[in-house]
Amino acid sequence: GESVGLHLPTLSVQEGDNSIINCAYSNSASDYFIWYKQESGKGPQFIIDIRSNMDKRQGQRVTVLLNKTVKHLSLQIAATQPGDSAVYFCAENGDTGNQFYFGTGTSLTVIP
Amino acid sequence: EAGVAQSPRYKIIEKRQSVAFWCNPISGHATLYWYQQILGQGPKLLIQFQNNGVVDDSQLPKDRFSAERLKGVDSTLKIQPAKLEDSAVYLCASSLMGGPDEQYFGPGTRLTVT
Repeated sequence: GESVGLHLPTLSVQEGDNSIINCAYSNSASDYFIWYKQESGKGPQFIIDIRSNMDKRQGQRVTVLLNKTVKHLSLQIAATQPGDSAVYFCAENGDTGNQFYFGTGTSLTVIP
Repeated sequence: EAGVAQSPRYKIIEKRQSVAFWCNPISGHATLYWYQQILGQGPKLLIQFQNNGVVDDSQLPKDRFSAERLKGVDSTLKIQPAKLEDSAVYLCASSLMGGPDEQYFGPGTRLTVT
C-alpha cells in the first residue's frame, strides 16, 4: 500500500531564477516558524525564522512571508544556485511553544 | 568548531534485535535532542534533554525506545526490540540555550530494520 509522506512535493528551477517554496501549517496557536534546508545525507540546517508578529523577514538571498489568516508560509530564494538544491522544511512551534513540528518538505532541484 | 557527531552512520538489523546510537553534541551545548526522520517526512522529536534531565519525551515510544545523557554531554538512544517501522534516520541535535534557531544537527544514523 502507499505510505504517507513518500510523495515529496518537488520544485525544479533554472539557475539564476527565483524560487518560491510554500508551506501550509496546521496549528493556529503556532507563533514561531522556521525554515530548514536539508541536503542529502546531512541533518537539517537553520535558514531563517519568523515570529507571528511579523509578515515578512529577509535574510541573505532568502525571504520568508507569513500569512496567518490562511496559515501559510513561503520561502523565497533569490537567484537560485545549484548549491540551493536540497529538501526544504517549514516547522511550527504548535501549542507547547517549545517543541517544533516539521512539515513534509519540498525537494528543490536547480537546473544549471 | 566541531559539529555534532553521531555514530554509527549506518546500521542494518533484523526485527526484534536491539540497537544503540551515540551522539556527541557541540562542546558546551546544554540542550540535546533526538529526532526520528522517516523517509520522505520531516524530523519528529523523540526526546529533549537539558543537561542530563529530560525536558520532553512525550513522543518517545517508551515500550521500546530509551535514551540517556548521564553526564550531561554524550547521549545514547536505544531501541529494543526493533520493529520494521523503526527504519528511519535518527538525528541528534544540540543547542547552547535551547532555542530552535540555534539548533545544530548531526549527520544522522540511517537504520534499516529487515
